Amino acid sequence: AQSVTQLDSQVPVFEEAPVELRCNYSSSVSVYLFWYVQYPNQGLQLLLKYLSGSTLVKGINGFEAEFNKSQTSFHLRKPSVHISDTAEYFCAPAQLGNEKLTFGTGTRLTIIP
Amino acid sequence: SQTIHQWPATLVQPVGSPLSLECTVEGTSNPNLYWYRQAAGRGLQLLFYSVGIGQISSEVPQNLSASRPQDRQFILSSKKLLLSDSGFYLCAWSLLQGLLSGANVLTFGAGSRLTVL
Repeated sequence: AQSVTQLDSQVPVFEEAPVELRCNYSSSVSVYLFWYVQYPNQGLQLLLKYLSGSTLVKGINGFEAEFNKSQTSFHLRKPSVHISDTAEYFCAPAQLGNEKLTFGTGTRLTIIP
Repeated sequence: SQTIHQWPATLVQPVGSPLSLECTVEGTSNPNLYWYRQAAGRGLQLLFYSVGIGQISSEVPQNLSASRPQDRQFILSSKKLLLSDSGFYLCAWSLLQGLLSGANVLTFGAGSRLTVL
C-alpha cells in the first residue's frame, strides 16, 4: 500500500522568501506523484505532477518539485512566495493500475507580509 | 469542457438526521468518481470511489454510504448522522484508466461543508 508523509503541518514564510514543502512517499514500485493546492474554503486544484522523464517538474504559480527516487521524496519549492500563495498543499502518490490517490495530511503555508 | 458540481455548499444538520450530498460531472463519459472527507487537521480521507454505474468501493467502515445511479452522478448518504460526520466533503472525478495514459488527474468540486450539531 502506498503511504505519504508531509513532515510539516504548518509553514510560516515571509513574503518574497523561498519556501520548500516536504513530501516523502513509500513505495517499491513505479509511482506517479502529484501536488495539489487548496485555497481557503475551496476544493483542491492540481499544482503539478510527475509521471516520467525529467525529475524537475514545473507547475502553476511559479512552483516546482523535484522527484528524488533514491530518497523517495517529492519536495515542492518556490523561490519567492506571494501573499496569494497562502493555502494548504497536499502531496499525493499514485501507482500504475491503481485508480486511487493517497493524500498526505497537508501542509498549511502561511505568508507573513 | 468538463465541470463538476457539488451541492449543497453548506449544511447544518442535527444528530440522527439523514444526509444526502450530490455530485454531478458534465462534459465527460465513464468517469471515475470519488468522495473524500477532510476533517480538521486530518488531511483528506478517501471514503468511496466508483468506476461505473452501481459499482461502489468503500475505503473505510463508517456511517456513510454512496450510490451511483447514473454515469455522472455520485451521491453520499447517511440514514442517521453522528457528530463525527462533521467535515468538508469533496467530490472528485478522473478519467477511467487515466493512469495508463498518464492523465489521471483528479478534478475536485468546490466541496460541501457539513456541521452536525
